[in-house]
Amino acid sequence: NAGVTQTPKFQVLKTGQSMTLQCAQDMNHNSMYWYRQDPGMGLRLIYYSASEGTTDKGEVPNGYNVSRLNKREFSLRLESAAPSQTSVYFCAIFGALTEAFFGQGTRLTVV
Amino acid sequence: QKEVEQDPGPLSVPEGAIVSLNCTYSNSAFQYFMWYRQYSRKGPELLMYTYSSGNKEDGRFTAQVDKSSKYISLFIRDSQPSDSATYLCAMSIGTGTASKLTFGTGTRLQVTL
Repeated sequence: NAGVTQTPKFQVLKTGQSMTLQCAQDMNHNSMYWYRQDPGMGLRLIYYSASEGTTDKGEVPNGYNVSRLNKREFSLRLESAAPSQTSVYFCAIFGALTEAFFGQGTRLTVV
Repeated sequence: QKEVEQDPGPLSVPEGAIVSLNCTYSNSAFQYFMWYRQYSRKGPELLMYTYSSGNKEDGRFTAQVDKSSKYISLFIRDSQPSDSATYLCAMSIGTGTASKLTFGTGTRLQVTL
């Protein structure tokens, strides 16, 4: 039982390049979330999907797009990466507030 | 001013010590309070969850909420080197969606032998 799987684990991009971060869950939860974590800023919500077919903006959505491909998969896309997007990205699923599972994270560096 | 404030540490304590980790908040509407533990290069994991004011105990861990002071604490008794991690507080007004969850920045704890 993997829970929440993120790929890739590490990535270095040049400014202006694009990439997609993948997240897959095997826990059959409806809601999936993308966060970024930066020193001194804590976890900030980028986008979330309350159920298959729906997506909503979080606190810091600019520069990102998402796709809820099916119930299992929720991807985060950077169309034109910027150094300010250097961060650690986490995908999470919540059954309820007491039922939270995070992936292992993707460490992204934009140079 | 951030809605949730948390001292980043690092906090270094000897094995066996009692650890106190704290968060303050400004939004009096918060009713649900959580503590997450995050090991280095891993995702956060939910450790404790409390509703409104009061204490909740789970093994060596005790979560305490003082809504009148807008202050929450996590106590770790008999701390172990395996407790070395970053501890994040989080809070929410309701339980309907995690989209309204507000996280603290985390306190890094080091328990030394």
